Amino acid sequence: NAGVTQTPKFQVLKTGQSMTLQCAQDMNHNSMYWYRQDPGMGLRLIYYSASEGTTDKGEVPNGYNVSRLNKREFSLRLESAAPSQTSVYFCASSKTGGEVEKLFFGSGTQLSVL
Amino acid sequence: AQRVTQPEKLLSVFKGAPVELKCNYSYSGSPELFWYVQYSRQRLQLLLRHISRESIKGFTADLNKGETSFHLKKPFAQEEDSAMYYCALSGLSGAGSYQLTFGKGTKLSVIP
Repeated sequence: NAGVTQTPKFQVLKTGQSMTLQCAQDMNHNSMYWYRQDPGMGLRLIYYSASEGTTDKGEVPNGYNVSRLNKREFSLRLESAAPSQTSVYFCASSKTGGEVEKLFFGSGTQLSVL
Repeated sequence: AQRVTQPEKLLSVFKGAPVELKCNYSYSGSPELFWYVQYSRQRLQLLLRHISRESIKGFTADLNKGETSFHLKKPFAQEEDSAMYYCALSGLSGAGSYQLTFGKGTKLSVIP
């Protein structure tokens, strides 16, 4: 059982380039999330999708877009990468999007923007 | 707005010593709290949650509503406990759905 799968694991971009981070889960979860992890800042929510067909902004959405392609897949796009977006990105999913959230995380994507 | 505060970025203890990782929260409703852990080169995973009142790997955490705290404790630290620990709170967002808000994390280092 793969759980939450993210690709790629590592990526180096030049300022202004675009890319899409892919995330898929095989647990039939309704809700999916994108977080970024920065030293001293912890995990901050970028965007989330409470259910298929819906997306909402989190704490730090600027510079990002998302697509909930279907129930399994939730992608994060950087249209014009900036050095401030250098971070480790985590995708996560949860069963119901209800009050008590146990999140299952992917292994992360380490992104460097030069 | 909901907020989670972990006052210590780094905590170093000797093997066999007691461990307490502090977590304080701010939330207007009834909180649901969690501790997540990230071991070196592994993905973030749930350690324990408030509603389960469980002990995982010897760790426990008690919700103190009066002090708005959810400190993580273990009586005797082991080297394998070295990891990054995040406290998290599940609360209702402005958009009307529940979100998990994380603290900034505490890196626990257990010295042999």
